Amino acid sequence: GAGVSQSPRYKVAKRGQDVALRCDPISGHVSLFWYQQALGQGPEFLTYFQNEAQLDKSGLPSDRFFAERPEGSVSTLKIQRTQKEDSAVYLCASSWGGANYGYTFGSGTRLTVV
Amino acid sequence: AQTVTQSQPEMSVQEAETVTLSCTYDTSESDYYLFWYKQPPSRQMILVIRQEAYKQQNATENRFSVNFQKAAKSFSLKISDSQLGDAAMYFCAYKGGYNKLIFGAGTRLAVHP
Repeated sequence: GAGVSQSPRYKVAKRGQDVALRCDPISGHVSLFWYQQALGQGPEFLTYFQNEAQLDKSGLPSDRFFAERPEGSVSTLKIQRTQKEDSAVYLCASSWGGANYGYTFGSGTRLTVV
Repeated sequence: AQTVTQSQPEMSVQEAETVTLSCTYDTSESDYYLFWYKQPPSRQMILVIRQEAYKQQNATENRFSVNFQKAAKSFSLKISDSQLGDAAMYFCAYKGGYNKLIFGAGTRLAVHP
């Protein structure tokens, strides 16, 4: 596609619910990144894929967070048993290779846990 | 660990004037990249300008330019002839040996007519 597409744009979850956030990167982009952006803060790295391989998941805050990219294209970030502190904007970005030329970001999913 | 600091939570500028946003970073790496991103209310991060650390020449993109001081670990963004559409959050970001970007906390820029 022309850009990085994320869905849903907004998600409200009750505490304890599981959520799944989708990212559809630019076609042909081998690298895919997930970031978490709390209100009034800069984005913080969560995880990185190169094709279908998850090469870095050091930023995932707990084992309730799980990401996958089974066919090297669309990625899903899953959060189990959501907590209020999970409320944030989740940004996805992709690039053709490394990040030397910057990424192309999606518009994010705003997750609110009530 | 690398860190990026933006010490100006908010800045304002008059339309057509020039404004400079500050960014400092800390790293022990010698080879890295620096970026400025713009985030409007739509939330999409838009790349404004990038700088390779090995290049001494400051990057320029139309009305946007940087002042890169490698020894001082400083990377400021200058916006000339400010326009109403420049109003947004601006984030400084660092990329070193790993693929991930490390962002500062951001500066909110207001542009007044």
